[in-house]
Amino acid sequence: EVQLVESGGGLVQPGGSLRLSCAASGFIFSDRYMDWVRQAPGKGLEWVGRTRNKANSHTTEYAASVKGRFTVSRDDSQNSLYLQMNSLKTDDTAVYYCTRVGMSGRYIDYWGQGTLVTVSS
Amino acid sequence: QSALTQPASVSGSPGQSITISCTGTSSDVGGYNYVSWYQQQPGKAPVLMIYNVNERPSGVSDRFSGSKSGSTASLTISGLQAEDEADYYCNSYTGISTLLFGGGTKLTVL
Repeated sequence: EVQLVESGGGLVQPGGSLRLSCAASGFIFSDRYMDWVRQAPGKGLEWVGRTRNKANSHTTEYAASVKGRFTVSRDDSQNSLYLQMNSLKTDDTAVYYCTRVGMSGRYIDYWGQGTLVTVSS
Repeated sequence: QSALTQPASVSGSPGQSITISCTGTSSDVGGYNYVSWYQQQPGKAPVLMIYNVNERPSGVSDRFSGSKSGSTASLTISGLQAEDEADYYCNSYTGISTLLFGGGTKLTVL
């Protein structure tokens, strides 16, 4: 059974930093692309970023809204995904979901339960 | 990139069929056959319902179907049930391993 469990959310001041983690199990983590998706309170889903698999050198892609501030990384030896968030803004307040990408790389097939990040003074 | 366009809300009675549209451009929906749909119940994580425009993951009811014409994709739910009441989001591949979501549609079962 695929399981994705996020941690690391919390309250942070504007301009601050936070690192989210995601523990994955139930599949061969190193084979898969992994994405982060967020959802602001009462709003829709927003794709945040991606790390490709080992075969594609763990390269990354980002949404324009977070590029230069957020970094997606992974540790295949620990079956873990990370999201380093710097220079946080109030608009970054959201539930952040760890997600697994389907084999084609063109859709998300599993979601974690999410972790809430609140950026406020 | 702007979000894909979905109606804010749709409604239907039990047993009826409803369709949710998802409109994009030639750079996303119209350019690739990689549209997916997600169901999100209140307070829960989204669940994949349709991928690659019209394919269903195992375990998803065949009452859910997807289609695409040009730059508009559609999700149809037939034989509407009370448990189908949820938010629905479309998603399209946009090239270079990036994804774009729709704004979401709230389905109310009357």
